Amino acid sequence: EAQVTQNPRYLITVTGKKLTVTCSQNMNHEYMSWYRQDPGLGLRQIYYSMNVEVTDKGDVPEGYKVSRKEKRNFPLILESPSPNQTSLYFCASSFRQNYGYTFGSGTRLTVV
Amino acid sequence: KNEVEQSPQNLTAQEGEFITINCSYSVGISALHWLQQHPGGGIVSLFMLSSGKKKHGRLIATINIQEKHSSLHITASHPRDSAVYICAVRFPASYNTDKLIFGTGTRLQVFP
Repeated sequence: EAQVTQNPRYLITVTGKKLTVTCSQNMNHEYMSWYRQDPGLGLRQIYYSMNVEVTDKGDVPEGYKVSRKEKRNFPLILESPSPNQTSLYFCASSFRQNYGYTFGSGTRLTVV
Repeated sequence: KNEVEQSPQNLTAQEGEFITINCSYSVGISALHWLQQHPGGGIVSLFMLSSGKKKHGRLIATINIQEKHSSLHITASHPRDSAVYICAVRFPASYNTDKLIFGTGTRLQVFP
């Protein structure tokens, strides 16, 4: 089944403890991206990647890192999480420009 | 002022009614996307538009590039259409990018 798989679905962590949210797609898509969704603010783009080893900042990149070492994977890294990074996170992929997106199921992160 | 504005924010309808959701944007774009977020949180890509009109089942999406405006129409609405509908624009228009800005969404509830 064609899909974007995010893990974990739920995560509670403490301030400052490094964490990684994984994202993997099995559709050979060129483009991958990360978003966060907050009440009243909607979806905001964190980072995107248009090819292996090519990443670029979205609207809210501060406090996050990404890497695209292989086409199928695009992990989101929080080196030192803070409570203001408590949010619902989505990964998405797209074949290339001007194609639709396939979204992962989301990761609900709580930083205490 | 937000770069992507959606109206209305909330919409209640009776089953069978014709629904229109509007999206206006202020930046030059290469494409506009309509997304649907189910009550469970999952996000589905409905349409990608760069010009004209697209139809899928009871859903119709139109875009007017000159007026920087798009509409999503639902004909013969049904309770299963209850969801949040989100407009997103890919910009800028002038070069290759996957940068997205989102509207804050329109919450639709359709009652039997």
